[in-house]
Formats: sequence, structure tokens, C-alpha cells
Amino acid sequence: DGGITQSPKYLFRKEGQNVTLSCEQNLNHDAMYWYRQDPGQGLRLIYYSQIVNDFQKGDIAEGYSVSREKKESFPLTVTSAQKNPTAFYLCASSMSPENYGYTFGSGTRLTVV
Amino acid sequence: QQQVKQSPQSLIVQKGGIPIINCAYENTAFDYFPWYQQFPGKGPALLIAIRPDVSEKKEGRFTISFNKSAKQFSLHIMDSQPGDSATYFCAASYSGAGSYQLTFGKGTKLSVIP
Repeated sequence: DGGITQSPKYLFRKEGQNVTLSCEQNLNHDAMYWYRQDPGQGLRLIYYSQIVNDFQKGDIAEGYSVSREKKESFPLTVTSAQKNPTAFYLCASSMSPENYGYTFGSGTRLTVV
Repeated sequence: QQQVKQSPQSLIVQKGGIPIINCAYENTAFDYFPWYQQFPGKGPALLIAIRPDVSEKKEGRFTISFNKSAKQFSLHIMDSQPGDSATYFCAASYSGAGSYQLTFGKGTKLSVIP
């Protein structure tokens, strides 16, 4: 089945640690996105990538980094510079501009301990 | 102006009622308006979408109404069921300059009580 796989489902981070969230898609979608979701704040865009080896900052990129070395993969690193990383993180992908629908993964819940 | 304003923030209806969620936008270049449904602990899933060349679209019990002149669109859920209890997000995008990013509303938490 085609889809997006996010792992892990739950992640715990100690203060000062970097952690990496995985996102893999087998939909052959060109574009991939990372969103952060906090209660009452909707979906806020962290980073997005429209092609391999290229990515752009979203609205809340500070404290995060990404890479896009393969079309299928778009990992997100939450660095120690992100002061309030506890949130639900969602990865999404979409096809070319002719089809704007997003497919979302099932999310990773990150908690700072 | 990229914002999409969604209301209400939360909504409680009885089973069989017709909840209505509204969204408004400013950017007249937007040409695609999807709605997403999200259950707790899951990612959002595309529910229904509309383009500005039509004023209404139905898929099962879900209907989008679109008012281009008012720059507003809304989601109606007919004969709502407890299983419809979820958070609903409206969104908008435009095809200019190769961009296909979605701008999301802040979401509406719907509770359908038996």
C-alpha cells in the first residue's frame, strides 16, 4: 500500500539533545512537508521540499533542520536550539502542482523529559 | 495575505444535527480549497475539496459551499454521527509560481453527542 510512514510514534528527548524524526513515502510524490501541531494553534509549517536536495524554511523553522537526499525521505531534526519542542509532528507529501492534495503521516509525538 | 480564518474553534451538536464550519480567505489567487478530518493521535486525512468554478460540492454526507465574491467557504455535515467527532481543518492554495503549499485554518473540534 502506498503511504507515508513516520517513526517513531512516540519520542522522548532530554534537555540539550538533538533528535531526528523519520518520514518516508512510497507515493512518488515530489513535495514533502513538516508541520508542528499544538493544541489550538492548528498546523504550522516548519520546512518543505519540492525536489531532492532542495528545501525551504516555513513559518517556524528556528531550532529545526531537514535534509532531502532521496525523493522518498525527508527527516526532521529537532535541535537543542528549539526551546519548546514538545508537540505533535506531522509529515506530509503531495504530487506536482496539478494535484494539490496532501497525504499525511500518522505523526510523531515528541515530549521533552 | 496568506491567512485562512476558520470558525468556530469548537462545536457541539447532537446526533442527526448539521454542524457548519466556516472559513474565510483574503488571497484571491487561491484556487483550491480542501477540508481535512483529523482523529486524535492521527494525521489529517483529505475529506473533500472544491475549486472556485463551482459553488457547491457533495460527497456523501459532506458538502462544501463556496462563495467566491465573499471569499468564504463552509463545510456542512448532514445527519452527523458520533463517529464524525474529530478536528476539521480548512485549507487553501494557489498554483502560481509553482507553489502548491496549503495554508491551513486553525481547526474546529467537533463533538457529536448521541
